[in-house]
Amino acid sequence: EAQVTQNPRYLITVTGKKLTVTCSQNMNHEYMSWYRQDPGLGLRQIYYSMNVEVTDKGDVPEGYKVSRKEKRNFPLILESPSPNQTSLYFCASSPGTALRKLFFGSGTQLSVL
Amino acid sequence: QKEVEQNSGPLSVPEGAIASLNCTYSDRGSQSFFWYRQYSGKSPELIMFIYSNGDKEDGRFTAQLNKASQYVSLLIRDSQPSDSATYLCAEYSGAGSYQLTFGKGTKLSVIP
Repeated sequence: EAQVTQNPRYLITVTGKKLTVTCSQNMNHEYMSWYRQDPGLGLRQIYYSMNVEVTDKGDVPEGYKVSRKEKRNFPLILESPSPNQTSLYFCASSPGTALRKLFFGSGTQLSVL
Repeated sequence: QKEVEQNSGPLSVPEGAIASLNCTYSDRGSQSFFWYRQYSGKSPELIMFIYSNGDKEDGRFTAQLNKASQYVSLLIRDSQPSDSATYLCAEYSGAGSYQLTFGKGTKLSVIP
């Protein structure tokens, strides 16, 4: 089944403890992206990747890192999480750069205490 | 910074009526526009996209684009309770941007 898989689904952590949210797609998509969704603020892009080893900042990259060593994986790294990074995170992928269709993962609800 | 504006709602319509969702955008260079539906607690799913001025129909859904007015709309005919969700408008500039900018969404409630 074609899908974007995010893990974990829920995560509670404490300020400053490094964490990684994994994202994997099995559709051989070139484009992958991370979004965060907050009440009243909508979906905002954190980082995106056009292909392996090609990443770029979105609108809210501060406090996040990403890597794209393999085409299928695009992990999101929070080196030192803070409470303002409490949010619902979505990974998405697309077969082309025209972004005619984004396939979203199921989301990761992160709480930073 | 590019902006996509939507009325947050909630928009309430009776079952069987036409729901009209609207979106304006700030970037005149935007090429493509998308409507996503998001049920509570779920991930967004694409309903349709449009990139030419005019109307585009897909089943009960019609997207309308007016680039001169920088306005995009989504009409849902014969609204059903299952259409109750938040609808997200998004724009894509292309030309090296490779980013989708989303509006904050309009919550639609279809009343049986």
